[in-house]
Amino acid sequence: NAGVMQNPRHLVRRRGQEARLRCSPMKGHSHVYWYRQLPEEGLKFMVYLQKENIIDESGMPKERFSAEFPKEGPSILRIQQVVRGDSAAYFCASSPSDMNTEAFFGQGTRLTVV
Amino acid sequence: GDSVTQMEGPVTLSEEAFLTINCTYTATGYPSLFWYVQYPGEGLQLLLKATKADDKGSNKGFEATYRKETTSFHLEKGSVQVSDSAVYFCATTGNQFYFGTGTSLTVIP
Repeated sequence: NAGVMQNPRHLVRRRGQEARLRCSPMKGHSHVYWYRQLPEEGLKFMVYLQKENIIDESGMPKERFSAEFPKEGPSILRIQQVVRGDSAAYFCASSPSDMNTEAFFGQGTRLTVV
Repeated sequence: GDSVTQMEGPVTLSEEAFLTINCTYTATGYPSLFWYVQYPGEGLQLLLKATKADDKGSNKGFEATYRKETTSFHLEKGSVQVSDSAVYFCATTGNQFYFGTGTSLTVIP
């Protein structure tokens, strides 16, 4: 059973371009979470999704950021018109339907905006 | 709302020293509690967990006990090794997973 797969592992974008980060949850997991981690800082919650639904997006910036988890395929975190301040590691985690079980993390996507 | 507060770092210890990283939580209901570990350049890995009051989670010599009366889940290890150097995150469940800010541990030989 493969773990949570994130790709790409490293992504370089110029200012103003779009960044698209993918996350395939573990098989059988229907909950996906996205977190951002800045250098030397902790995890900042961004969004919590279930299949075809956004459950909690309280941590998402109001502009340029969006997330989806379609019925088929991976979850996507999209950042439009990237700026230098978007440079960070973005982690995806998944869990099964029971909220009291652990979340499993991917290896992260390290976004660098130049 | 639900949240986790953990001890500020960084923490530097000599090999074989005793480790405690404090964690307290605020949550409604009966959440599960977790400690995750992040090694450099990697994602978070589950270290241990506890699902109800008085449960003790343990793994790789680390332990933490779910104390409902003090709303705490402190991480302890009796004798740390250089390979334990990492960032440790306390977490709880509620409407989503809530993580502490992380505590960086460096163990020196």
